[in-house]
Amino acid sequence: GAVVSQHPSWVICKSGTSVKIECRSLDFQATTMFWYRQFPKQSLMLMATSNEGSKATYEQGVEKDKFLINHASLTLSTLTVTSAHPEDSSFYICSAHTGESSYEQYFGPGTRLTVT
Amino acid sequence: KQEVTQIPAALSVPEGENLVLNCSFTDSAIYNLQWFRQDPGKGLTSLLLIQSSQREQTSGRLNASLDKSSGRSTLYIAASQPGDSATYLCAVSRWRDDKIIFGKGTRLHILP
Repeated sequence: GAVVSQHPSWVICKSGTSVKIECRSLDFQATTMFWYRQFPKQSLMLMATSNEGSKATYEQGVEKDKFLINHASLTLSTLTVTSAHPEDSSFYICSAHTGESSYEQYFGPGTRLTVT
Repeated sequence: KQEVTQIPAALSVPEGENLVLNCSFTDSAIYNLQWFRQDPGKGLTSLLLIQSSQREQTSGRLNASLDKSSGRSTLYIAASQPGDSATYLCAVSRWRDDKIIFGKGTRLHILP
C-alpha cells in the first residue's frame, strides 16, 4: 500500500530557533500534500495544502510566514517552523493523495515537536 | 462550513462486546468519508473509506455505514478486543482531492 514517511519522528528545539519537518511519499507521486497539527487530546486541524511547484494554501489563522511549506518535488514536502515558541509544541502530521480513483489520503506517522 | 461531530467522546466496554461509534456531519455534500484509528502518540491508520455513492464498507470485524442524506455514519466493531483500544476518528472530504475535515474522535477503551 501507499506509504508516507516523516522525518524526524520527534524533535526538541529551543525557543527562537527553526525546525524543518519532511514528508515523503515513498512509493507514489503526490501532487498534493496536506499538513495537519494536533494538540494533546484534540483532533487534527488542517494547517495548509501543499501543491507541487506552487505556493501552499494556508487555512485561516495559520501564519504563512511562520509555517513555511515547500513542495519541491512530487515526493517531498517540507514544513519549517520558524522562530519556534513553546506554544508551537504539537504533533504535526502530513498526508498525501495516491491519485487513485478513491483519492484516499495516506498519513505519515507524525512528528512530535517540543519547543523549550 | 462543514462540521464533524463524534459521539460519544469516550467509551469503555468489556471485551467481547459489540459496539457502535457515531459520526455526524453538517453538510451532506461530501465526496467520501473515512474512519481512522489513532494510537496514543502515533499517526493515523485508515480503517475504512466510504465513497458518497456507497452505503457501507466492511473490513474484518469492522463495518462502516453511511447515510449521506441524513449526514450520519456509524462504525460497528464486532467482538471487541483489548487491542481495539484507541481513538477512532471520522473524517469527510468535499470533493476528490480536497482537504479532510476531522471529528474530535471517540476514545475507546476495551476492558480485558
